Amino acid sequence: EDQVTQSPEALRLQEGESSSLNCSYTVSGLRGLFWYRQDPGKGPEFLFTLYSAGEEKEKERLKATLTKKESFLHITAPKPEDSATYLCAVRIYNQGGKLIFGQGTELSVKP
Amino acid sequence: DTEVTQTPKHLVMGMTNKKSLKCEQHMGHRAMYWYKQKAKKPPELMFVYSYEKLSINESVPSRFSPECPNSSLLNLHLHALQPEDSALYLCASSQFVSEKLFFGSGTQLSVL
Repeated sequence: EDQVTQSPEALRLQEGESSSLNCSYTVSGLRGLFWYRQDPGKGPEFLFTLYSAGEEKEKERLKATLTKKESFLHITAPKPEDSATYLCAVRIYNQGGKLIFGQGTELSVKP
Repeated sequence: DTEVTQTPKHLVMGMTNKKSLKCEQHMGHRAMYWYKQKAKKPPELMFVYSYEKLSINESVPSRFSPECPNSSLLNLHLHALQPEDSALYLCASSQFVSEKLFFGSGTQLSVL
């Protein structure tokens, strides 16, 4: 069964304290892994797409990496405005437009 | 314009009401989606339209009826909903079904 698992469920950091979020997946054929950020009461905001093992993408304080079994979202020197829920989702071959989402990691960064 | 616009932002309806949610994008995207999201849960796919044709229906109850009048518009017609249908309803679009999704801000629906 295709599955996406994110850990931890919640993460509390002090401002400037770097850390990583994990997204592990078990799927039949990966067609892309997506990271989104979601603020309360808003729709998810696209961050990155990764397609193959070894790929890395960066944007400001965020860096996403991909292996054959998992992806990491590294947050360097986070600020309070980075507080949000981070969602990982995978697209699988032969399933059209369907994305399988993980449960999300709720990140809180305190000043 | 890189926005997906959803209206209304909030909706309260009784179980006997009929209402519609609207979604619009002007990015030339050919795939559009409806998702349902409960508090503290990830979005759940409801419907996918590709080139204005329904391509995925995730066994959604018939009280939810999607419509894609043209390539820029997506509606979700609601009828005889249940209190458990209360949720954030998200619209999204993508260039094609294999591409990244752009989400709207959602409609927060409460069914009394």
